[in-house]
Amino acid sequence: EDQVTQSPEALRLQEGESSSLNCSYTVSGLRGLFWYRQDPGKGPEFLFTLYSAGEEKEKERLKATLTKKESFLHITAPKPEDSATYLCAVQAGGADGLTFGKGTHLIIQP
Amino acid sequence: IAGITQAPTSQILAAGRRMTLRCTQDMRHNAMYWYRQDLGLGLRLIHYSNTAGTTGKGEVPDGYSVSRANTDDFPLTLASAVPSQTSVYFCASSDTWDRGEQYFGPGTRLTVT
Repeated sequence: EDQVTQSPEALRLQEGESSSLNCSYTVSGLRGLFWYRQDPGKGPEFLFTLYSAGEEKEKERLKATLTKKESFLHITAPKPEDSATYLCAVQAGGADGLTFGKGTHLIIQP
Repeated sequence: IAGITQAPTSQILAAGRRMTLRCTQDMRHNAMYWYRQDLGLGLRLIHYSNTAGTTGKGEVPDGYSVSRANTDDFPLTLASAVPSQTSVYFCASSDTWDRGEQYFGPGTRLTVT
């Protein structure tokens, strides 16, 4: 059974304080790992896709990395507008949908 | 371009009633999905459709049915609602089933009383 575990469940940072969110996964044949951002009352917003170990993607203050067992979402010098829940998901080989983790609720205080 | 639209935005439904949640996409994506999101459980796949005319069951399909008569629409029906179906429902789409970048709609908040 495919599993995705995200940690921490919640994280509170000061504005400008960099940190990382973790996504550990167990999947039979990884087809892709995905990061989403979800704001309260809204649908998940796609951020990144990672396909193979060693791959990295960047977007503004966010950088996603991938190993064979986990992915990290690094947040550099965050701003209050980066506050959201960040979701990690995997697609196994042959799977028709995504398996999601429960998310990390990130709060950036001014 | 709207992307994915869902209707209604929210609904309170009496147990035992039938309800159809609507989902329409304008991106000409081949694959579409329905997820439910519950506190503490995350997003879980209900049903999917890899292309118009085909559908499949996800992780939690019981009590739900779907149809895919054309590329753009993917309605989700609850034949006889039960309180455990209280949840937020998200529709999503992707270009193809094996290209996993899924794009989500704004969701429908459903309360079954």
